[in-house]
Amino acid sequence: NAGVMQNPRHLVRRRGQEARLRCSPMKGHSHVYWYRQLPEEGLKFMVYLQKENIIDESGMPKERFSAEFPKEGPSILRIQQVVRGDSAAYFCASSPLPGQGPEQYFGPGTRLTVT
Amino acid sequence: DQQVKQNSPSLSVQEGRISILNCDYTNSMFDYFLWYKKYPAEGPTFLISISSIKDKNEDGRFTVFLNKSAKHLSLHIVPSQPGDSAVYFCAASASFGNEKLTFGTGTRLTIIP
Repeated sequence: NAGVMQNPRHLVRRRGQEARLRCSPMKGHSHVYWYRQLPEEGLKFMVYLQKENIIDESGMPKERFSAEFPKEGPSILRIQQVVRGDSAAYFCASSPLPGQGPEQYFGPGTRLTVT
Repeated sequence: DQQVKQNSPSLSVQEGRISILNCDYTNSMFDYFLWYKKYPAEGPTFLISISSIKDKNEDGRFTVFLNKSAKHLSLHIVPSQPGDSAVYFCAASASFGNEKLTFGTGTRLTIIP
């Protein structure tokens, strides 16, 4: 299966703990996007990364959230000191090089529950 | 500020008939539009897209129409099948080398057998 992979699929954290969400893009794709979906809402853009570069983080909350896409390994979305409002589905998408169309291919998502 | 709007939260259509899902946008910088289909507990699946230089794109049972002057697009599914029951999201992109997508809130389509 050469699709976008995300793990874990479900993550439960207590308030104040850290959450780490992982995303491996489709084979041959070098661009990764993270989106968040709150209940009954559409997906909201958070951050756009290439290998070792953050291209656009305009959708990221200013505090507690960070993202990386290292040269080797998956992209990581990290949420420090989680709060109940962070409970959501987090989706990763990947695309090939820019200019080859903006179609993005999504993973199955990580459902974060903060208790 | 909701730049992409899907004003119908839900739609029910008889199997075999045409399903029409609508989407409006406000940002005139958007020049590429996409439709995604989403089942519960899964990620969105890309369906069909259209560039702003076209007014229609067709792929099998799916056709997307774009009216730039009205800032309106629609997705037609014909004939509708039970497996089409899902939430459909409209998304838009302004391609300045950063192709982040702006999504609508979705329309839940139910196909009645």
